[in-house]
Formats: sequence, structure tokens, C-alpha cells
Amino acid sequence: SQQGEEDPQALSIQEGENATMNCSYKTSINNLQWYRQNSGRGLVHLILIRSNEREKHSGRLRVTLDTSKKSSSLLITASRAADTASYFCATPLIKAAGNKLTFGGGTRVLVKP
Amino acid sequence: DAGVIQSPRHEVTEMGQEVTLRCKPISGHNSLFWYRQTMMRGLELLIYFNNNVPIDDSGMPEDRFSAKMPNASFSTLKIQPSEPRDSAVYFCASSPTGGGEKLFFGSGTQLSVL
Repeated sequence: SQQGEEDPQALSIQEGENATMNCSYKTSINNLQWYRQNSGRGLVHLILIRSNEREKHSGRLRVTLDTSKKSSSLLITASRAADTASYFCATPLIKAAGNKLTFGGGTRVLVKP
Repeated sequence: DAGVIQSPRHEVTEMGQEVTLRCKPISGHNSLFWYRQTMMRGLELLIYFNNNVPIDDSGMPEDRFSAKMPNASFSTLKIQPSEPRDSAVYFCASSPTGGGEKLFFGSGTQLSVL
């Protein structure tokens, strides 16, 4: 089963508005990552937040992490049409020999011009 | 930096045929991952390698699927025989840090099995 689950599954907003999506996970983590996937392309890493961090910023992206609730949120401020994509959270299952990164089902974001 | 390179970009084949997907990871990366993406099941991790050694293949759906990494710069995912339900986008990704942090994805191979 998937470690992370995003909510909502889909989101439609007007250009200039903020977009917020959430991710819930099941087991303890040492970091949580967010990726973007444009239609027909591979995933692109956006931001990583460690378990001892509560908030992180990168440009127009803001990520929060609440380990007590096992949840994270991704906020995209002042959205643009180019932000139209699917967004995935991912958490690693750490093993001594290597790490297994599993993804949630994603949130499809449509930014209307 | 060329990024992760996958080939072919698209593959259309008939049921029962052998399919081989190829991946060249980013030079210097020590971990390689094969994922499959479908609308129904999302992104599934099939297998991953660390320093060319398969670490976890529990996601490989059936014995029809096999993966190899003969050296640090090349990996293959083979399906033999292929079935229509194997139709999906297959992604290869590599990581310089064992996969616990940032993954770099290829553009994927769109596989259609008729």
C-alpha cells in the first residue's frame, strides 16, 4: 500500500490564487519530499523537508510538516498557468542497504488563465 | 548534464512479444529505480538497485518481469511475454544518495501492449 496519500485528488484555481494540497503518511519518516509531474513527463523534485523541520520555503512554494499528525502540506502562492501539473508527496522507507521511495496518488492541479 | 535517459520513448507491441526498456542513469549516481505508472494504480516501485545490486524487487508483479544492471551506467527492464495489462508508463530514476533523498527521473517509456 502507498505510504503517502494526497488530498484533494484534483484542484482547479484561477491564475494568481494560492493552491494548497495535503499529504498524509503512515509510518515514521526522516524526510518527506514533494515532486511535480507535467503531462507526459517524468517527475521533478521540488522540495524536501526533514522530520526535525516544521516549515520550508522555496520560491513560491511553502511546505509544512506535522509529524504528530503524520501530515504535510504544499502551498503554491500566486499560481501561474505553468503550475498546471500533478503534485506528489513521497516518503523514503529507510533500509541499511538502500532506501525505498514511495509516492502517493497525487493531486492534479489546473491553473486557469 | 544529460539527465536520466530512457529508451525507447514509446513502444507498441503485440501480446506475447518480449519488451526491453533501457535506462542510463546520471553519471555518479549510485542508486537506480524502476517505477510503473498507471491511472488505476498510480506510481508503483518495481525494483531498485544500489551500486548495481538489486536491493528490493518485491514490486515486480510477476516472473515475466526481470531487471538487470550490468554496470553503473546501464539498466534494463524486460517483460517476457508481454500482456495488455502491462500497458503503462515506465520510469527510471537515479539518485546520488541511495534514494533516501532527491530522485532524478527520466522522461519515461510509454508502453502499449495490444
